[in-house]
Amino acid sequence: DTGVSQNPRHKITKRGQNVTFRCDPISEHNRLYWYRQTLGQGPEFLTYFQNEAQLEKSRLLSDRFSAERPKGSFSTLEIQRTEQGDSAMYLCASSLATGPNQPQHFGDGTRLSIL
Amino acid sequence: GQSLEQPSEVTAVEGAIVQINCTYQTSGFYGLSWYQQHDGGAPTFLSYNALDGLEETGRFSSFLSRSDSYGYLLLQELQMKDSASYFCAVRSRSSYNQGGKLIFGQGTELSVKP
Repeated sequence: DTGVSQNPRHKITKRGQNVTFRCDPISEHNRLYWYRQTLGQGPEFLTYFQNEAQLEKSRLLSDRFSAERPKGSFSTLEIQRTEQGDSAMYLCASSLATGPNQPQHFGDGTRLSIL
Repeated sequence: GQSLEQPSEVTAVEGAIVQINCTYQTSGFYGLSWYQQHDGGAPTFLSYNALDGLEETGRFSSFLSRSDSYGYLLLQELQMKDSASYFCAVRSRSSYNQGGKLIFGQGTELSVKP
């Protein structure tokens, strides 16, 4: 069990650029979640996959955001035409699908800074 | 809607006991979780309560009262390394059916002093 891995750890980009983040979940976990966290706040749910199917998207996820999990393993989160308000920590988590008591295991996140 | 309230900051001394409270409002309820997050780190799962009562895991215990929509995290024998942010989170019944997304509180920053 190597844990949830996220890359890159930090991303600095200019407003208007596109960025893509990657998440590698714990290998046997079939559920994968994306959250966003700003300073002094708790993580906010963005979207969720069970295997390769994206089953839920938050209203926070505008049309500029897209997430994929093409083979049911790693996932990518892309933000197009970045805005200042996109600056945040983007967290990925994974879990087993066997019940509500299964904890979500988080990665260290990708910190996005928009100049 | 769904919301959770917890104190923003708590300070305690090494060796003491501290309780972090959490009240929640949700359209359905399927368990209260607690996570710890050190500065710059990942949230780490501490405990989960689905039923009323106390769950104990080493120095940490968590309590739930569903009738009061209330829970708390109890940290005993505080150590300097316990200085971190602590988040309560709920899974609502509706979200369980869709995979169990978590709704987090704003977090309580715990400072442990020598």
